[in-house]
Amino acid sequence: DAGITQSPRHKVTETGTPVTLRCHQTENHRYMYWYRQDPGHGLRLIHYSYGVKDTDKGEVSDGYSVSRSKTEDFLLTLESATSSQTSVYFCAIRGLSGSGADTQYFGPGTRLTVL
Amino acid sequence: SQELEQSPQSLIVQEGKNLTINCTSSKTLYGLYWYKQKYGEGLIFLMMLQKGGEEKSHEKITAKLDEKKQQSSLHITASQPSHAGIYLCGADIGTSGSRLTFGEGTQLTVNP
Repeated sequence: DAGITQSPRHKVTETGTPVTLRCHQTENHRYMYWYRQDPGHGLRLIHYSYGVKDTDKGEVSDGYSVSRSKTEDFLLTLESATSSQTSVYFCAIRGLSGSGADTQYFGPGTRLTVL
Repeated sequence: SQELEQSPQSLIVQEGKNLTINCTSSKTLYGLYWYKQKYGEGLIFLMMLQKGGEEKSHEKITAKLDEKKQQSSLHITASQPSHAGIYLCGADIGTSGSRLTFGEGTQLTVNP
C-alpha cells in the first residue's frame, strides 16, 4: 500500500461543466502522475509533477490542467468536460520497490462519466 | 501505446495450464515493469526488470527481459483463477525513470 487515495471514486457530470479530481499521498513522494485508461488505448499519461508547482505535459494533455500546491496533493481539472473525457483516471506516485528500484504505484482510480 | 506492443490482447486458459504474455518495443527498454489489474481496481506492481537477460519470479509468475532489452515475457505456471485479470507492461524508454509508457494490456481469463 503506497498510501495513495483518489477522490471522488465515481462521478457523473454533464458536458461543459468543470470537474476536479484529487490525488492524495501520505509518503512525501516527489513525483506524481495522472493517467487515463480507455479500451483500445491502455494507460496514457495526461500530466505529471516532479515537485510542488513543477508540472509537465504527458501525451494526452489537451483539455486538462493540473496543480500541485503542496507535496501531498495533485489535482487534475477538466475545465469544460466533454464526452471524450469519459474514462477511468488513475493517479500514481514514483517510489522505491522492495529491491530499491524506481517504481510507479497506483491509486484505486476514479471512474468519470460525462453525459 | 504503439511504442509498446503486448500480445496476446486476450487469453483464455484452463486452470492448471501454463501461459506466456509478451511485451515488445522497437526501442531499448531501460526499465520494464509488469502490473496486474483486477476489473474496477487499480494496478498492482508485480516486478521490474532492468538488465538484459534478467529474470525474476514471484510465486508462480516469472518475468524475463531479453538480452537486447527490447522484449519481455511474463510466464505463469499452473494458472489459477486468482491469476485472472489484466496484465500490463510499462517501460522507461529513455526518461531516466521519470515517465513510463504502457502497453494496452492482456486480459487473462482462467476457467476452473
